[in-house]
Amino acid sequence: EAQVTQNPRYLITVTGKKLTVTCSQNMNHEYMSWYRQDPGLGLRQIYYSMNVEVTDKGDVPEGYKVSRKEKRNFPLILESPSPNQTSLYFCASSLRREGYSPLHFGNGTRLTVT
Amino acid sequence: EDKVVQSPLSLVVHEGDTVTLNCSYEVTNFRSLLWYKQEKKAPTFLFMLTSSGIEKKSGRLSSILDKKELFSILNITATQTGDSAVYLCAVVADNRLAFGKGNQVVVIP
Repeated sequence: EAQVTQNPRYLITVTGKKLTVTCSQNMNHEYMSWYRQDPGLGLRQIYYSMNVEVTDKGDVPEGYKVSRKEKRNFPLILESPSPNQTSLYFCASSLRREGYSPLHFGNGTRLTVT
Repeated sequence: EDKVVQSPLSLVVHEGDTVTLNCSYEVTNFRSLLWYKQEKKAPTFLFMLTSSGIEKKSGRLSSILDKKELFSILNITATQTGDSAVYLCAVVADNRLAFGKGNQVVVIP
């Protein structure tokens, strides 16, 4: 089944403890992206990747890192999480860059930083 | 700065009613507009619109884009409780995709 898989689904952590949220897609998509969703603010893009080894900042990249060493994986790294990074995170992929083909979203990761 | 504004933010209707959702935008170098449906979890794709005046249809849902007046409409006819969701509009311009805050639709029996 074609899908975008994120792990974990839920994560509670403490301030400053490094964490990684994994994202994997099995559709051979070139484009991958991370979003956070907050009440009243909608979906905001954190980072995106046009292809392997090509990443770029979105609207809210501060406090996050990404890497794209393989086409299928696009992990999101929080080196030193803070409470303002408590949010619902979505990974998404598409065949080509966004706007030229639809995004397929993962099921989300709800992160709480205390 | 790119702007995507959806209205109404929230509405409650009875089963069988028709719903019209609006998405207006101000962006540089528009490429396409997409509609997604979000229930409890991940957004799922509904429509992608690139040309004015061409209606896209899928069952009871339809959408149209007006590139002159810079808006799109999503219509849901004969609503069912399963249509309850947040409907997200996203606009692609230059290299960026900007989402609106969503239209929350609640359909009551």
